[in-house]
Amino acid sequence: AQSVTQLDSQVPVFEEAPVELRCNYSSSVSVYLFWYVQYPNQGLQLLLKYLSGSTLVKSINGFEAEFNKSQTSFHLRKPSVHISDTAEYFCAVSEGQAGTALIFGKGTTLSVSS
Amino acid sequence: KAGVTQTPRYLIKTRGQQVTLSCSPISGHRSVSWYQQTPGQGLQFLFEYFSETQRNKGNFPGRFSGRQFSNSRSEMNVSTLELGDSALYLCASSVGSWTDTQYFGPGTRLTVL
Repeated sequence: AQSVTQLDSQVPVFEEAPVELRCNYSSSVSVYLFWYVQYPNQGLQLLLKYLSGSTLVKSINGFEAEFNKSQTSFHLRKPSVHISDTAEYFCAVSEGQAGTALIFGKGTTLSVSS
Repeated sequence: KAGVTQTPRYLIKTRGQQVTLSCSPISGHRSVSWYQQTPGQGLQFLFEYFSETQRNKGNFPGRFSGRQFSNSRSEMNVSTLELGDSALYLCASSVGSWTDTQYFGPGTRLTVL
């Protein structure tokens, strides 16, 4: 069965510092990977996704994630965070063949302070 | 384009009652998925409907059911409510392929007393 583990439940950082949010998954078949973000009092929004091709995927607001098949990881990184990046981040996996069901990790709360 | 809408936004029920939540997908989207979000269990997949048919189902008891109408709007029903059903219920819509982005609604906050 698929599962997603987000290794850190909370990550506090200072503004302009780099950050890495870790995500590991387990699955017996090929998977497709997603990062979603939930800003305070807002709904979930897709940040970026890996379906195939280049293992490094980027979002429009400076985040990037790298799919590592051998380590079954899809860590999210940003070289310099802003206060506005404060949110909860969810890693998710889909096996694709069974419709659009997403299996989510428990989430990582990123808190950026000045 | 209007986003995914969910009604009602907040709901308070008592144990043993039943509840129906509604989700209107983005125009043109044929897939609607439902998720339960709780502090303890996180986000868990309930089921997905595509073209009025349940295409996938998560690991929830039969008290949780859903349906989809010909206009792609979906409803989720929970019968015989339990305290543990208190959660934020999210629906997400997409065109229908697993490669398509899922767009989430703001959720319905259900409190069971």
